[in-house]
Amino acid sequence: TQLLEQSPQFLSIQEGENLTVYCNSSSVFSSLQWYRQEPGEGPVLLVTVVTGGEVKKLKRLTFQFGDARKDSSLHITAAQPGDTGLYLCAVFYNQGGKLIFGQGTELSVKP
Amino acid sequence: EPEVTQTPSHQVTQMGQEVILRCVPISNHLYFYWYRQILGQKVEFLVSFYNNEISEKSEIFDDQFSVERPDGSNFTLKIRSTKLEDSAMYFCASKIEANTGELFFGEGSRLTVL
Repeated sequence: TQLLEQSPQFLSIQEGENLTVYCNSSSVFSSLQWYRQEPGEGPVLLVTVVTGGEVKKLKRLTFQFGDARKDSSLHITAAQPGDTGLYLCAVFYNQGGKLIFGQGTELSVKP
Repeated sequence: EPEVTQTPSHQVTQMGQEVILRCVPISNHLYFYWYRQILGQKVEFLVSFYNNEISEKSEIFDDQFSVERPDGSNFTLKIRSTKLEDSAMYFCASKIEANTGELFFGEGSRLTVL
C-alpha cells in the first residue's frame, strides 16, 4: 500500500490546456511538498504547504492542501512545453526526516 | 548557488563487483540521504544519516549497502556485491533541518549492472 497515491500516472496534453494532478493519502500530515523532476536530474522543490485549506501560487502553478491535510492538488494553467516533467508529492515521515514520495505524475505538454 | 554534487554520473559494472557512489552535500547541511529510482519507477528512500550515523534505513538497504562520511565533506554509498536489480539512478540529498525544509538533491549517479 502506497502512503501517497498520485493520479493520473501519465498525462499528455496540448500547449495552452489546463490540468490538475492529485496526491491522496489516508494519513494526516503536518506538511506536504511538491517536487518536479526533469529527465536525468534530481527532484527540485516547488512548494511546501503546511496549513489545511492552504492555497499557494507559483506563477501558473496553484497548489492546494486539503482541509484535513490528507491530500493535495496541483493545478497548471495554460501549460507550456517547459512544464513537461515528473511531478512528485512528498511528505516527511517519522521523526528521522525521511521524505517519502508518491509515484509521480508524468506530464507531457506538446507544442 | 550551493549544490549537491555526485560522482560518477554514470557507472557500468559487472554483477558481483563493488561500487562506491560519491556525494558532496551542501556544506552547512546536517542531514544526508540516499534515494534510488529504478527506470520508470518512483523515487525510493534508502537511508538517512545524521551525526555520523545512520538514522533510518529502508528494507532495500540490506547488508550489501553501506554509507560513510569519511572526511566531513564526502558522503558515500557502497554496494558490496552488485546485482542486476541494483541498476538504477541513485540520488544523494541533504538538508539543514530534520522534519521541515527543502531537501536538495544531486543530479544522480546512474548505475548499470551487467
